[in-house]
Amino acid sequence: GNSVTQMEGPVTLSEEAFLTINCTYTATGYPSLFWYVQYPGEGLQLLLKATKADDKGSNKGFEATYRKETTSFHLEKGSVQVSDSAVYFCALSLWDGSSNTGKLIFGQGTTLQVKP
Amino acid sequence: GAVVSQHPSRVICKSGTSVKIECRSLDFQATTMFWYRQFPKQSLMLMATSNEGSKATYEQGVEKDKFLINHASLTLSTLTVTSAHPEDSSFYICSASRTGLTEAFFGQGTRLTVV
Repeated sequence: GNSVTQMEGPVTLSEEAFLTINCTYTATGYPSLFWYVQYPGEGLQLLLKATKADDKGSNKGFEATYRKETTSFHLEKGSVQVSDSAVYFCALSLWDGSSNTGKLIFGQGTTLQVKP
Repeated sequence: GAVVSQHPSRVICKSGTSVKIECRSLDFQATTMFWYRQFPKQSLMLMATSNEGSKATYEQGVEKDKFLINHASLTLSTLTVTSAHPEDSSFYICSASRTGLTEAFFGQGTRLTVV
């Protein structure tokens, strides 16, 4: 089946620390992979995406590389800020045999808290 | 990215009443819309997929008679929670996509509280 597993949180870091949030997946076909961020009381915002193996998605200092050999899509940032405090979701899009469907399977979410 | 608007952002209703949530794609024609539910401090669970002009496809365990989904146009899908119960209190989020897109775009979510 299709599934996404994220490291459990909460993750608490000091400002300017290095961040890694692990994400691994199982999937059939050729899914696209995503990281979404959710700030308190808000909906989801796309942070970055990768559509095929070895692609690197990046945005706002965050990066993640689509690793098919390890079925992983770990999120990294070199120096976190207090404003990065949020819940981060890893997700994959389901493949219907010929294309991606737009239907997403989410990981359980990882809460990041950055302290000044 | 494309803009998806969800309304209302918050709603409080009494037990036994029905409440409708709208999801609109503002700048593209969404052939497919998805409805998710998020329990407190948990992940998003897909409830159903709606394609314009056809009946919604519900995920296993989701009561289709309770959660009525209509996708009457390429820019609007609605989710109606019927005979609302306090257990239906949750955060509901829609997303919209169309053939050829590699991603779906999310609305800002609706916080439903049933009292």
